[in-house]
Amino acid sequence: AQSVTQPDIHITVSEGASLELRCNYSYGATPYLFWYVQSPGQGLQLLLKYFSGDTLVQGIKGFEAEFKRSQSSFNLRKPSVHWSDAAEYFCAVEGGAQKLVFGQGTRLTINP
Amino acid sequence: DAGITQSPRHKVTETGTPVTLRCHQTENHRYMYWYRQDPGHGLRLIHYSYGVKDTDKGEVSDGYSVSRSKTEDFLLTLESATSSQTSVYFCATGTGVNTEAFFGQGTRLTVV
Repeated sequence: AQSVTQPDIHITVSEGASLELRCNYSYGATPYLFWYVQSPGQGLQLLLKYFSGDTLVQGIKGFEAEFKRSQSSFNLRKPSVHWSDAAEYFCAVEGGAQKLVFGQGTRLTINP
Repeated sequence: DAGITQSPRHKVTETGTPVTLRCHQTENHRYMYWYRQDPGHGLRLIHYSYGVKDTDKGEVSDGYSVSRSKTEDFLLTLESATSSQTSVYFCATGTGVNTEAFFGQGTRLTVV
């Protein structure tokens, strides 16, 4: 069965610093991969997605992610974080039949 | 925003009572999903629908039932609420293209 692991439950970075959130997936074929962001008390918003083609995908709010098949990874990056990026981030993989399987989430805290 | 409205947004109920959560969408999306979000578990799929009257179980379906009599409405029923069903419930919709899902704002349910 498909699965997603986000190894970091909580990450703290300083404002202006770079960010990398890790995501590892288990999937037999070429996966559809997603990153979602959830602000406190809100629903999930799609940041970016990978279906095929260029392994470096650009998303909203200055985020990007790189698909690495050899490492079964889809890590999310941002060169310089802003205080408004504080949120919870979820990686997800298509689990068959148009369903998503989510990781446990990574909570991001920004220090001023 | 895919025009998804969840109701109620907050509910407190007693153990053993039935509870129904409603999801209404205005985008005419074919697929609809119910997820629950719990700390340390990310989002887990309860049930989903791939058309009117067409539903299937997800990962954590025990104690839950669903119905979809119209394209725009997807109801989640807790047949006899238990404390373990205290959670935040999210409805999502999808077009069926590349599994991308759009999320509602969530319903916080507390079972006392």
